[in-house]
Amino acid sequence: AQTVTQSQPEMSVQEAETVTLSCTYDTSESDYYLFWYKQPPSRQMILVIRQEAYKQQNATENRFSVNFQKAAKSFSLKISDSQLGDAAMYFCAYKGNQFYFGTGTSLTVIP
Amino acid sequence: NAGVTQTPKFQVLKTGQSMTLQCAQDMNHEYMSWYRQDPGMGLRLIHYSVGAGITDQGEVPNGYNVSRSTTEDFPLRLLSAAPSQTSVYFCASSRRDRNTIYFGEGSWLTVV
Repeated sequence: AQTVTQSQPEMSVQEAETVTLSCTYDTSESDYYLFWYKQPPSRQMILVIRQEAYKQQNATENRFSVNFQKAAKSFSLKISDSQLGDAAMYFCAYKGNQFYFGTGTSLTVIP
Repeated sequence: NAGVTQTPKFQVLKTGQSMTLQCAQDMNHEYMSWYRQDPGMGLRLIHYSVGAGITDQGEVPNGYNVSRSTTEDFPLRLLSAAPSQTSVYFCASSRRDRNTIYFGEGSWLTVV
């Protein structure tokens, strides 16, 4: 079975600084997708970024980028120039036959 | 832009009561699913459907029923509510390729 592990339950970052959230996954599939979702206090699940496993180039979305290491099964999220609105729970997700989610990392942004 | 709509947003049930969480999507997505979110557990898949008339169990199906009579609707039924079912429930949908999943806003359920 696929598993997604987020080893950092909580992280904090100073406003305008950079922070990296870690995610590892376990799979025997070769074709899959990886995602980062943001969940603010409202609990709405918001897609931050998506990475196709067959693409070697790391995905970027404005201040958000990933470091995808397929051989190591690692998929970290880097948030640059952190803003107060980035404070949220962040979930890493793997999609093969189904979606599997990590347990989340709670990010605090310090003014 | 309705997207995925869940009702009710908040509900308090007594142990043993039954209820239905409604989910509707207007994006003509084939795939729909229900998750529950508990502290420290992430999102866990309860049931899913790949199209009208087809449903299947996820990781934590016990105590829940689903049906998919139309493409748009995917209700989740709690047969006899238990305190262990206190959680936040999310409905989600996606196209057949399931490369991106869209979530509803969540339903907070408390069983006392």
